[in-house]
Amino acid sequence: KNEVEQSPQNLTAQEGEFITINCSYSVGISALHWLQQHPGGGIVSLFMLSSGKKKHGRLIATINIQEKHSSLHITASHPRDSAVYICAVQKTSYDKVIFGPGTSLSVIP
Amino acid sequence: EPEVTQTPSHQVTQMGQEVILRCVPISNHLYFYWYRQILGQKVEFLVSFYNNEISEKSEIFDDQFSVERPDGSNFTLKIRSTKLEDSAMYFCASQTSGVSAFFGQGTRLTVV
Repeated sequence: KNEVEQSPQNLTAQEGEFITINCSYSVGISALHWLQQHPGGGIVSLFMLSSGKKKHGRLIATINIQEKHSSLHITASHPRDSAVYICAVQKTSYDKVIFGPGTSLSVIP
Repeated sequence: EPEVTQTPSHQVTQMGQEVILRCVPISNHLYFYWYRQILGQKVEFLVSFYNNEISEKSEIFDDQFSVERPDGSNFTLKIRSTKLEDSAMYFCASQTSGVSAFFGQGTRLTVV
């Protein structure tokens, strides 16, 4: 069983739409990461969360530790947001990162 | 902003050849990692490294793989005798207390 699951697997949105990507995990964690991977492959860290909510520009990430669930929201989506968004967890500080399968987002003009 | 640097960005090698993938982690980080991503699959952990020794390795990281930090700045992954199934994107990452892991841009390894 995968320790990190994401939904949806693929998502197509019109420019300007509000987007939500969900992540659930089955292990105790010290941190949850949201990462972005563009075609060409490089990985960029968007957020690291251990509780609550974080916001950066049009991106908002929330986590519910009790329910083992996190969401990534994108407001006013733009075609440049098109990428794979990956949820990943660490069981303890400095532990390896366990990656989810990713959500492929395509934002259409 | 600090960044993790990986070289080369793309390497093509013949099956059976040795390859060395290089990474320069962020200078004050203490924990280093290699991950790989086979095309179309999720990112998988290979190995973690701390205090000049391996702290954890996955089942993928068999005797064909090795890591070292030869000069206090570079962090290398060596594959001794490459196989076709080693073709993947390899990511280096580094981390320190309280901040997110920083990932390199990856090295795309193609074994022919």
